[in-house]
Amino acid sequence: QKEVEQNSGPLSVPEGAIASLNCTYSDRGSQSFFWYRQYSGKSPELIMSIYSNGDKEDGRFTAQLNKASQYVSLLIRDSQPSDSATYLCAVSSNSGYALNFGKGTSLLVTP
Amino acid sequence: DTGVSQNPRHKITKRGQNVTFRCDPISEHNRLYWYRQTLGQGPEFLTYFQNEAQLEKSRLLSDRFSAERPKGSFSTLEIQRTEQGDSAMYLCASSPTGILYNEQFFGPGTRLTVL
Repeated sequence: QKEVEQNSGPLSVPEGAIASLNCTYSDRGSQSFFWYRQYSGKSPELIMSIYSNGDKEDGRFTAQLNKASQYVSLLIRDSQPSDSATYLCAVSSNSGYALNFGKGTSLLVTP
Repeated sequence: DTGVSQNPRHKITKRGQNVTFRCDPISEHNRLYWYRQTLGQGPEFLTYFQNEAQLEKSRLLSDRFSAERPKGSFSTLEIQRTEQGDSAMYLCASSPTGILYNEQFFGPGTRLTVL
């Protein structure tokens, strides 16, 4: 069973809309949750981290965590074409050190 | 402020050759990680160092792979007797101390192609 699941997409949204990206995980003991953005041919870039239930906002990005449902989401408001990338959900492992990644969701923001 | 650096950025080798990659973490970070990423997949954890101690290794890290972090600074990842299946992007990341706040910052990666 895959530990971190994401819809591979592509998710297509028009410029200015809200993009909603979802992730589920299997390890109830996970403590840390992250969203990375990865442009084609580049390495992952950390954009959000969240550690407790609820919402965390940073600029146009909002991360949401629901540990009871084992669900993490990322909302991108006022989406821009430059947001077009693959978004990776990462969850801390049992050890707390390694991160388990999903396969990523491809987001396309159309002008 | 310099981020994580990796060298070389690209490596093409023939099957059976040995290759070595280097990672220099962010200077104040004492934790260093190696991941491998293939096309269409998320990064897969390989190994983790805290200072010079290798504390965790994935089952993915076969006996052909070895990693070191002498003196707790830069790290090297060596692959012996490369196979075509080793072709991937090898990513290094570093993070500061603190399990809960385990924000990992990635370097640009080394893309390995095994012919």
